[in-house]
Amino acid sequence: DIQMTQSPSSLSASVGDRVTITCRASQSIRTYLNWYQQKPGKAPKLLIYAASSLQSGVPSRFSGSGSGTDFTLTISSLQPEDFATYYCQQSYSTPRTFGQGTKVELK
Amino acid sequence: EVQLVESGGGLIQPGGSLRLSCAASGFTVSSNYMSWVRQAPEKGLEWVSVIYSGGTTYYADSVKGRFTISRDNSKNTLYLQMNSLRAEDTAVYYCARSGGGYDSVDYWGQGTLVTVSS
Repeated sequence: DIQMTQSPSSLSASVGDRVTITCRASQSIRTYLNWYQQKPGKAPKLLIYAASSLQSGVPSRFSGSGSGTDFTLTISSLQPEDFATYYCQQSYSTPRTFGQGTKVELK
Repeated sequence: EVQLVESGGGLIQPGGSLRLSCAASGFTVSSNYMSWVRQAPEKGLEWVSVIYSGGTTYYADSVKGRFTISRDNSKNTLYLQMNSLRAEDTAVYYCARSGGGYDSVDYWGQGTLVTVSS
């Protein structure tokens, strides 16, 4: 199974900050990497697929990059509605493993 | 409009069985790659099982041999039969459609809570 490791597990930031979250795969997954946002009590929401493609309707302040084993989710200017937990997921092979999540909190 | 509505969760004793349902609308379940993903209280997301459009199924090691994923094409509904339930199966179970690019999950249900406790 492919292991997905996110860092950091949590971070504190202020509105307007640039935030970067990293996801590392235990083996190459090419660009089969997706990012989701989850708010408390809600289902996850797709933000980025194929490492860098923005899902329809997602604000352009979200961006993704990377290939192979190392990937990044960047929020260019953090907004109040962005305080949430973010997960990466590989869709290269089954099981479709998730990272452990990164909680973005208000500083 | 695509919708996924789960049902069937509840409180069940260890060793018991439960069947979750996920009624889909706005698309055809049998034409899509459908999964179950769970989330234990205050924990992260865990992929549980998948059924491909051709009918092939896969399971996480943690549920293999105990859980069965299936679908009813006439009802456009996805199921998860859960047997020999354990305390560690306690979680919110989400039904998910991988209809996005690169098999990303573009639609999720609202989730149904399964609590395994005596």
